Amino acid sequence: AQKVTQAQTEISVVEKEDVTLDCVYETRDTTYYLFWYKQPPSGELVFLIRRNSFDEQNEISGRYSWNFQKSTSSFNFTITASQVVDSAVYFCALSEPYFADGGATNKLIFGTGTLLAVQP
Amino acid sequence: DTGVSQNPRHKITKRGQNVTFRCDPISEHNRLYWYRQTLGQGPEFLTYFQNEAQLEKSRLLSDRFSAERPKGSFSTLEIQRTEQGDSAMYLCASSLGDSNQPQHFGDGTRLSIL
Repeated sequence: AQKVTQAQTEISVVEKEDVTLDCVYETRDTTYYLFWYKQPPSGELVFLIRRNSFDEQNEISGRYSWNFQKSTSSFNFTITASQVVDSAVYFCALSEPYFADGGATNKLIFGTGTLLAVQP
Repeated sequence: DTGVSQNPRHKITKRGQNVTFRCDPISEHNRLYWYRQTLGQGPEFLTYFQNEAQLEKSRLLSDRFSAERPKGSFSTLEIQRTEQGDSAMYLCASSLGDSNQPQHFGDGTRLSIL
């Protein structure tokens, strides 16, 4: 069964601290995709990153970095030098190709999210 | 670049009433998804369209729920005989047709059942 676990419900840090959000996933497929989304208080889910199961290279984008380890089924997200504007709920999600009538559905399976509060 | 648009933003209704939500996806996106999000949870998949064809429905989508995408552009989600448990944020997302392109979400419609 497909499942995404974000064990950290809430994290509070002080501005400029580094913070890592954990994500562990379960899947039986060898082909899958992992995503991170940010949901600020305004409510809209904002896409941050997509990673496919064949690419284990870590990625850095500005203050954001992602560590993908298939051996531990983890896809962790680190924010360096956090800022108040980073305060939001962060969701990790898994997508597996599901072929219905010849097309892949690619529905997202989300974790329960981690609420990050960055204090000034 | 116009994003995914959902209307209304908020809907308050009495139990037993019917409600309809609308989603306008990003114009070149042929895939459209509906999700439901309750407080403290991640979004849960409801249904998926590729163009005008509804290709998958979750078991969460009871027979009181129906979704359409008549011309492969905007979509509507209708809930008949609403119940307290239907209170949630209903999110729409769209994406391009290539495998696993990221889904872009709208602001959602928050439904409150009195």
